[in-house]
Amino acid sequence: EPEVTQTPSHQVTQMGQEVILRCVPISNHLYFYWYRQILGQKVEFLVSFYNNEISEKSEIFDDQFSVERPDGSNFTLKIRSTKLEDSAMYFCASSETGFRSPLHFGNGTRLTVT
Amino acid sequence: GENVEQHPSTLSVQEGDSAVIKCTYSDSASNYFPWYKQELGKRPQLIIDIRSNVGEKKDQRIAVTLNKTAKHFSLHITETQPEDSAVYFCAAPSSGSARQLTFGSGTQLTVLP
Repeated sequence: EPEVTQTPSHQVTQMGQEVILRCVPISNHLYFYWYRQILGQKVEFLVSFYNNEISEKSEIFDDQFSVERPDGSNFTLKIRSTKLEDSAMYFCASSETGFRSPLHFGNGTRLTVT
Repeated sequence: GENVEQHPSTLSVQEGDSAVIKCTYSDSASNYFPWYKQELGKRPQLIIDIRSNVGEKKDQRIAVTLNKTAKHFSLHITETQPEDSAVYFCAAPSSGSARQLTFGSGTQLTVLP
């Protein structure tokens, strides 16, 4: 069964540094998402991406965040200047036709900001 | 936006018993309700979903019921097994959005052998 893949699995960075989290969505999927989960809490929506542009973003997704699809397969999340409170598990997800089709999550990247 | 409330936050059952987790939502226009299972340290995985044109859907030991009038939906797991132990999240589409899901706060289910 095809899967969403994410790299790295764990990223440790110092406060103020930039990080790029990488994702390869399932190949025939058209909608891409980033969600985050602070330890022990619920999954929170960050941003959705369709047709090479952001469809929606949450209040969490401020100017420090950006997403890009640099080629036909990768989907990246960049945090420009990390803060301690950015420490969380970041999940990439994709779906075939939007949220009404199943959302497939990657295994996540655990980001630790020190 | 959509507000999804999930109860209980923790649930312990004996192996073989049933477990029920309930969620309420606020947007009456919502029409798609998935349930995800997340094992410790792993990704959320879709286990069942229901659309608003049906009231119940079943897949082996798992079922979901939907009450659109009351705006709530429930996950039912019968004949629970230790491997059912995990965190379960419900979700519903965010108000006015075609693109994002709002998740409930999660239920830690523990099945005691």
